[in-house]
Amino acid sequence: GQQLNQSPQSMFIQEGEDVSMNCTSSSIFNTWLWYKQDPGEGPVLLIALYKAGELTSNGRLTAQFGITRKDSFLNISASIPSDVGIYFCAGRDIKTPLVFGKGTRLSVIA
Amino acid sequence: KAGVTQTPRYLIKTRGQQVTLSCSPISGHRSVSWYQQTPGQGLQFLFEYFSETQRNKGNFPGRFSGRQFSNSRSEMNVSTLELGDSALYLCASSLTDYYEQYFGPGTRLTVT
Repeated sequence: GQQLNQSPQSMFIQEGEDVSMNCTSSSIFNTWLWYKQDPGEGPVLLIALYKAGELTSNGRLTAQFGITRKDSFLNISASIPSDVGIYFCAGRDIKTPLVFGKGTRLSVIA
Repeated sequence: KAGVTQTPRYLIKTRGQQVTLSCSPISGHRSVSWYQQTPGQGLQFLFEYFSETQRNKGNFPGRFSGRQFSNSRSEMNVSTLELGDSALYLCASSLTDYYEQYFGPGTRLTVT
């Protein structure tokens, strides 16, 4: 079945630094989604991407849908303590279920 | 607009019992998906429903079943519970099938 490789698995950064994480798929997707999950909560949708090459921002977050349709990345600029959490990428093709990466655990050092 | 709600939030069951979890989607959303989240396996897809029809089913044993009602609310049932079924069960709703999904807070199931 489809697999997503998300990297890095974890990151420790200083407050104010920029963060970059990415996902690659073994097959073509027509949708990429990025979520953030805090402990004990459900994932919260950050950005949705529907078109190859699309670059979308949500505040300090920017995500891109790779032109090969097999990858996506998420950037966080000027990180703050509340950015701490686990970030998940998810993708799907038409008529297939949403597949999730294993997550990137972000820790921010003040 | 209210978000996705899941009940109950926490549940403790004994091996061999069965359990039913409930999900109410965002108003107007017609698609509901269910996921199992564990530390070892991550987020694993269980089912996807759109307008009461199951669109996709994940690779889980037949003990896991689900359904969607005409008001888009959904339930999933796990029969003959095993210790390995302990997990966070997440429901997500979307406006239509194959669209962005919004998650509920989850039901934490513990099987003893």
